Parts: sequence; structure tokens; C-alpha cells
Amino acid sequence: KQEVTQIPAALSVPEGENLVLNCSFTDSAIYNLQWFRQDPGKGLTSLLLIQSSQREQTSGRLNASLDKSSGRSTLYIAASQPGDSATYLCAVPVFSGGYNKLIFGAGTRLAVHP
Amino acid sequence: NAGVTQTPKFRILKIGQSMTLQCTQDMNHNYMYWYRQDPGMGLKLIYYSVGAGITDKGEVPNGYNVSRSTTEDFPLRLELAAPSQTSVYFCASSYGTGSTEAFFGQGTRLTVV
Repeated sequence: KQEVTQIPAALSVPEGENLVLNCSFTDSAIYNLQWFRQDPGKGLTSLLLIQSSQREQTSGRLNASLDKSSGRSTLYIAASQPGDSATYLCAVPVFSGGYNKLIFGAGTRLAVHP
Repeated sequence: NAGVTQTPKFRILKIGQSMTLQCTQDMNHNYMYWYRQDPGMGLKLIYYSVGAGITDKGEVPNGYNVSRSTTEDFPLRLELAAPSQTSVYFCASSYGTGSTEAFFGQGTRLTVV
């Protein structure tokens, strides 16, 4: 059974720091891994999607890496800003009981203070 | 491009009432999903659809129903609301299975009292 864990659960940092958010999964046979951002009271915004054949993806100050063999992905945020404050979720798709679904971690709640 | 649109954004229901959460997407995606998110927990799949006319249960379908008469719309129906259904509901869509990106709506915050 696929399980997704995110560490740390919460993180508070001063503006300007470089950050690493961790996501681990128990079954390495994944098609892809997706990172989302969720602002309080809002929906999920897709940040990065890494296919199983890729090692990393970059979008602006965000860089996500994937190591399938070790069951880990990291989201690196460079030069953090207060606007980066949000909950970050990772998810992997699984096929189970004939259907496809995303398995989510519980998220890392990030606070960047000026 | 609107993406995935959910209505309403907020709703308070009394126990036993019914309601429909609306979801529509304009990306011509085949797959659509309903998830619920409870505090401190990940998202759990309620129902999903792989195309118009085809729906199936996810992990937590009890108390809910869905229909998919068109590619664009995937409404979620609560027939007899219970306090356990207090949650935030998210609709999502993707083009296909496996290696495709999922897009989420803004969510509906439902409280049952």
C-alpha cells in the first residue's frame, strides 16, 4: 500500500533562506510525483510534476528532485519570500481496485517571516 | 482559461438536508475526481469518473453520489447531510491516468450542524 509522508510538518523561517521540503513514499513504482501549494482557505495549485523518468524539474525559484530508488522527493525553495507562506503537498498517483487516484502527504506548513 | 470551477465556496447545512456541489472544467479532461480534506489529514478520494457516463467509487464514497452526463461537469450530491461530512471538498481533473497532471478547483467548505 502506497503511503506518502512529508517532513517537517511545519517550518518557520526568516525571509531569504533557502529551504528543503521532504516527501517520501513507500512504493517506488510510481508514474510521477506532483508538488502542490495550498493557501489558507484556498484550493491546490500545481507547482511541479516530475515524471518517473526525470530526476528533477525547475520552475523559477522552485526545484523538485526525485529519487525513485530511495522513495524520496525534495522541493527546494531558493531565497524564500513571505509570499511563499503556504502549505506544500506532494502526491503520487496509484492504481488501486481498478481506479486511479492521487495519494497525498499531509503537507508541510511553511511560514516565511520578514 | 478558467480551469476547474467549483460552486459554492462555502455552505452550512443542517443535519438531514441535501445539496449538490457543482464542478465544471473547460480543459476537455477525461478524468474527474472528488476529494475531501479534513484538518491535518491528506486528501481522500470520494468518487471519480473516467469519462461521460462512467463513474466509480473511491476510498470514502458512503453518503455521496455523483453523475457525469457531460465531459465538463461532475456534480457531487449529498443526500442526508451528517456532521461527519463537515469538510473541504475539492474537485480535480486530468487528461488521463498515470503520468498526467491533476488540476484542482478552489474547494467548497461545507459545515453540517
